[in-house]
Amino acid sequence: QVQLVQSGAEVKKPGASVKVSCKASGYTFTDYYIHWVRQAPGQGLEWVGWINPNSGKTNFAQKFQGRVTMTRDTSISTAYMDLSRLRSDDTAVYYCARELRWLQLDYWGQGTLVTVSS
Amino acid sequence: QSALTQPASVSGSPGQSITISCTGTSSDIGGYNYVSWYQQHPGKAPKLMIYEVSNRPSGVPDRFSGSKSGNTASLTISGLQAEDEADYYCSSYTSTSTLGVFGTGTKVTVL
Repeated sequence: QVQLVQSGAEVKKPGASVKVSCKASGYTFTDYYIHWVRQAPGQGLEWVGWINPNSGKTNFAQKFQGRVTMTRDTSISTAYMDLSRLRSDDTAVYYCARELRWLQLDYWGQGTLVTVSS
Repeated sequence: QSALTQPASVSGSPGQSITISCTGTSSDIGGYNYVSWYQQHPGKAPKLMIYEVSNRPSGVPDRFSGSKSGNTASLTISGLQAEDEADYYCSSYTSTSTLGVFGTGTKVTVL
């Protein structure tokens, strides 16, 4: 069965960086895009961006340009999201999700809480 | 990219039917049949309930149905059950961004 398993919760200070991992299993990793979506406490869903695990091509929401990097290691079917220069308003649960097609997300990771606090 | 507009809350009694609306523009909902709906229970990850306007993934009960008219998509839950109490988000492909757009979210309460 398809599973996306994310790394554990992180606590970071403002200005630091965080790297969240997303390990895929149950399907061919390079056949489906991986998206990253975040949800601030009590708020709605916000798209961060996506990575094509086959080519490594990425695309990010404009508000994260210059601060986010997405990579993958196909040998271990794992995608990564790196967010730098963290601010308090980056505190959120970050989800990875597999794209079925046309930006529709059919499987989601369990989420990783990133807390930014001094 | 502006979020799609959903009602903040919808409620119904067990066994009733409720409908959640999701309003966008001709650049997203009105222009494409790539509308999806997600259910999210507190502290849990979103779950895909409907894709491509009206298709249900395997395992989703047939009491969940989706439709679209013009720039508005709708999710209907028939025979409401206690376990349906959750937040629901719509999403759509959009021509104005290389990413999709989510709705504002609707809290469904089972009375």
